[in-house]
Order: sequence, then structure tokens, then C-alpha cells
Amino acid sequence: ETAVFQTPNYHVTQVGNEVSFNCKQTLGHDTMYWYKQDSKKLLKIMFSYNNKQLIVNETVPRRFSPQSSDKAHLNLRIKSVEPEDSAVYLCASSHRDAEQFFGPGTRLTVL
Amino acid sequence: TQTVSQSDAHVTVFEGDSVELRCNYSYGGSIYLSWYIQHHGHGLQFLLKYYSGNPVVQGVNGFEAEFSKSDSSFHLRKASVHWSDSAVYFCAVSANTNTGKLTFGDGTVLTVKP
Repeated sequence: ETAVFQTPNYHVTQVGNEVSFNCKQTLGHDTMYWYKQDSKKLLKIMFSYNNKQLIVNETVPRRFSPQSSDKAHLNLRIKSVEPEDSAVYLCASSHRDAEQFFGPGTRLTVL
Repeated sequence: TQTVSQSDAHVTVFEGDSVELRCNYSYGGSIYLSWYIQHHGHGLQFLLKYYSGNPVVQGVNGFEAEFSKSDSSFHLRKASVHWSDSAVYFCAVSANTNTGKLTFGDGTVLTVKP
């Protein structure tokens, strides 16, 4: 099956903990993205990688860090979560400016 | 900097009705415009895209959108909606910078009543 896969589906944690989300695409794309979708459904890009190189890095807190081992994987680590980090994190992939394919998202709840 | 505005937060129609979801953008250079749909609890799915050529583009499931440079608009339309079209619709802009970065509008919640 070719698609964008994200794990976990849900994660509940406490303030100050570290979390890590995984994303894998089997579509052969060269570009991957992380978006944050808040409780009002607003979508904001966080990071974009092309062939393991960071090409878009929006203004996000330093506790967020993307990690790419190869062009099919793009993980997201949050070093010390805050309540405002509660959101759905969506991973996507594409061939540069072509249509983006999205994963199902990881819902993070910070208590 | 590109911006996207979706003026209607919610649109409610009945099954079989036609619908138009509005999208306006502002950007000085060449851009890609696209529409995505998000069903509840799922990721986004691509509907259609415009870059150049025929200003009316056809998408999946009977959706189409029309680009207007004079109005700075890219409205989405469907002639006859089905209950399964109920979802959140996002208009997106991508500047031609080869990064693929999308700037999304705030989304329009479409509710189709039986």
C-alpha cells in the first residue's frame, strides 16, 4: 500500500515531557512536511524537508525539532511539551510543488 | 507574503443543491492555488489545483474551481452535493518558490443535509 503513515494516532502526556512522532511515506516523494492543526482546525506549516535537507522552517518554538533519516521518513520531536502544543500534527509528502498527500494525523493532548 | 481568505466559516445546503465555497488570495507573484478536503478525523485530501491555462479546473468527485485574476479568487463549486461531501474544505496558496510550502485558509465547514 502506498500512502503516508503516522504513528502514534493519539498521545496523551504531561507538561514538560518529551514526545516523538513518526511519519513514513511509501509514495516515492522527495519532499515531506509537518503541519500543526489547532482546535479551531487552523493549519500552519512547521517544517519541510527535501531529500533529507531542511528547506522550510517556520517560526516554531525551539523545543520542536524535525528529524529525517532518509527521504521517506520525517519524524518530529518535542523536547518539553507545553499545554499550547495540544493539537493534531499532520505529516504530508509531495514531489516539490505537486499535490500533497497527508497522513491521518497524530493527536497530542498535553495535560 | 501570500495570504488566503475563506469568507464563509460554515455553509449548509441540502443534498442535490449546488454549492460554491469562496476563496480569495493576495500575492504579487505567480502562485499555485489548490483546494483540499478534510473529513472528520482524517488527514487532508487533494481536490484540484490551478497554476496556469484554463481558469476552470476540474477535480475529483464532480468538484471544479475557477481562477479569477481580476477578483483574486479561486472559488470551489459543485453542481449537486451529496451527504458524503460534508467536510471541511481548505483553500491553499503556494508561491512558486519550489519549496512546496502551502499557506492555508481558515477552512469552510460544509454541512449537507439529507
